[in-house]
Amino acid sequence: GENVEQHPSTLSVQEGDSAVIKCTYSDSASNYFPWYKQELGKGPQLIIDIRSNVGEKKDQRIAVTLNKTAKHFSLHITETQPEDSAVYFCSHANAGNMLTFGGGTRLMVKP
Amino acid sequence: EAGVAQSPRYKIIEKRQSVAFWCNPISGHATLYWYQQILGQGPKLLIQFQNNGVVDDSQLPKDRFSAERLKGVDSTLKIQPAKLEDSAVYLCASSSGLAGGGVQFFGPGTRLTVL
Repeated sequence: GENVEQHPSTLSVQEGDSAVIKCTYSDSASNYFPWYKQELGKGPQLIIDIRSNVGEKKDQRIAVTLNKTAKHFSLHITETQPEDSAVYFCSHANAGNMLTFGGGTRLMVKP
Repeated sequence: EAGVAQSPRYKIIEKRQSVAFWCNPISGHATLYWYQQILGQGPKLLIQFQNNGVVDDSQLPKDRFSAERLKGVDSTLKIQPAKLEDSAVYLCASSSGLAGGGVQFFGPGTRLTVL
């Protein structure tokens, strides 16, 4: 499948600070961009998603932006809390709904 | 609403042995996916079913991996014979739609260790 690059691989922030994770992709046919959070020993859980006809979407402390021209999208978490500590994965899919995942970002929120 | 169920949660086998994993998707979900997640990496799609038919299995190592969803509900993924590099978490996911980006819901996974 098409690659997706995710940065950074690890991110450490103080509680209350913001965290930003960035991804770039190459498949111009991609039209769906979900973000997943994975806690230790659990399966990935969808936290927010965005479709290609939208540039930005927000849900409480979480926001995602999409730049289709530049083929990159980002996850923003504001007012981070210790329970936000987990591994976050960006992903994208085309019309067939087959997801391609990034390599993951381990977020650590220090109290 | 019950989530995606998987069993077993953990499995340890020796190389060249066979192993099978089971998945029960969310009720009513027509599409089922199997992913392989190697430690420290993102999940990689192995196979996608729509009801009881295979939509895509291009990344399934067919010489040793097989999967079926005979009645369009539960699914099994089998590895025979296993290799050391098959050690990973095997995730099952389901969604209600195929086209248009239906949300995929993941199960807890089966952690396979091949010795």
